[in-house]
Amino acid sequence: EVQLLESGGGLVQPGGSLRLSCAASGFSFSSYGMNWVRQAPGKGLQWVSGISGSSGSTDYADSVKGRFTISRDNSKNTLYLQMNSLRAEDTAVYYCAKGDSKWYFDCWGLGTLVTVSS
Amino acid sequence: EIVMTQSPATLSVSPGERGTLSCRATQSVSSDLAWYQQKPAQAPRLLIYGASTRATGIPARFSGSGSGTEFTLTISSLQSEDFAVYYCQQYNIWPLTFGGGTKVEIK
Repeated sequence: EVQLLESGGGLVQPGGSLRLSCAASGFSFSSYGMNWVRQAPGKGLQWVSGISGSSGSTDYADSVKGRFTISRDNSKNTLYLQMNSLRAEDTAVYYCAKGDSKWYFDCWGLGTLVTVSS
Repeated sequence: EIVMTQSPATLSVSPGERGTLSCRATQSVSSDLAWYQQKPAQAPRLLIYGASTRATGIPARFSGSGSGTEFTLTISSLQSEDFAVYYCQQYNIWPLTFGGGTKVEIK
């Protein structure tokens, strides 16, 4: 069974940093692209960043480009999101989402809440 | 970036009735279109990919159609567990983008 488990969320002050992790199991992790998708309270879904399986090529939403960095450790079956220079508008539940043959998301974690507030 | 627009924002339907949700893209995304269902306090669930292919375990009452810029998700006979928010997502061109969602509520 495919499982994704996020961790690392919490309360952080504006301008601060946080690193999210997503532990994956039940599939060949290195073979699939992985993503972070966020949802602000009461709002819709927003793709944040994605990373390919083997080559490690990455892309980001404009709203986080230059502040967030996605990475993966295929030996540990873990996806990461390093978030710097956090802003109030980054407050959201952050989901880890697995890609499939293309960049749609066939499995999601339960999410981890990031709150940016003073 | 490609903007995805969903309509209506809210769809009020009686159980057993048919529900039709629309998704429009600002430029062609071919058939690279997925639909997701999200219930309160839950993660989204993949329903449809490739515009019309049901994901594993998705009931046949869910069907998707369309290509290019116009897409439709149809729920043939709404069951109580189908009342939720539905999102479309294009994956043809990065950045990947979602529609704003359609809330399907009980009439």
